Amino acid sequence: SYVLTQPASVSVAPGKTARISCGGDNIGSKSVHWYQQRPGQAPVLVISYDTDRPSGIPERFSGSNSGDTATLTISRVEAADEADYSCQVWDSGSDHYVFGTGTKVTVL
Amino acid sequence: QVQLVESGGGVVPPGRSLRLSCVASGFTFSSYSIHWARQAPGKGLEWVALISYDGGNKFYADSVRGRFTISRDNSKNTLYLQMNSLRGEDTAIYFCARESYSYGPFDSWGQGTLVTVSS
Repeated sequence: SYVLTQPASVSVAPGKTARISCGGDNIGSKSVHWYQQRPGQAPVLVISYDTDRPSGIPERFSGSNSGDTATLTISRVEAADEADYSCQVWDSGSDHYVFGTGTKVTVL
Repeated sequence: QVQLVESGGGVVPPGRSLRLSCVASGFTFSSYSIHWARQAPGKGLEWVALISYDGGNKFYADSVRGRFTISRDNSKNTLYLQMNSLRGEDTAIYFCARESYSYGPFDSWGQGTLVTVSS
């Protein structure tokens, strides 16, 4: 089955840039979606189809996808960005959705 | 606005069954594929099952295939998850989520319902 691997944690100072990787075999050939989940809350879509920001998501959030790695970038990090972030793809080979292992972002 | 509200969670002994419901409002329910996803305590998200807009296509994660059944009643704007032969590893918060477009992202989620499998 298809596996998506993320770092368990990323720490970043306020105002700096956080980059969260999502590794998968030839993930560049798939569409990657990213979710933010604050404690006790439901996930929220922050990036769709590799690079698209849904309405209401700050421009500070951006995405890229190439080769074996997709990346979520959070610029000018704020305290409110502290949350868990998960990547997701549809694996047509298995007719399964797959979530990444998840990354906890800590704002120092 | 789009709203998804799950119910039916609780504490159940191993081997028993439970049925979850998800009531949708604020959009044309019968036009969207809907999913169940879950999150075990302290763990990441896990996709569970998908049902197409008309119920004609259903897909399941390997971990639940043969034990869980997803269904929907478009006349009641309601999604279901029948969970049989429950195991300890099924303990999780179960979310329903709307798929925005064909095999695309989940653009709306419910708040979840907690299922605890324990004797």
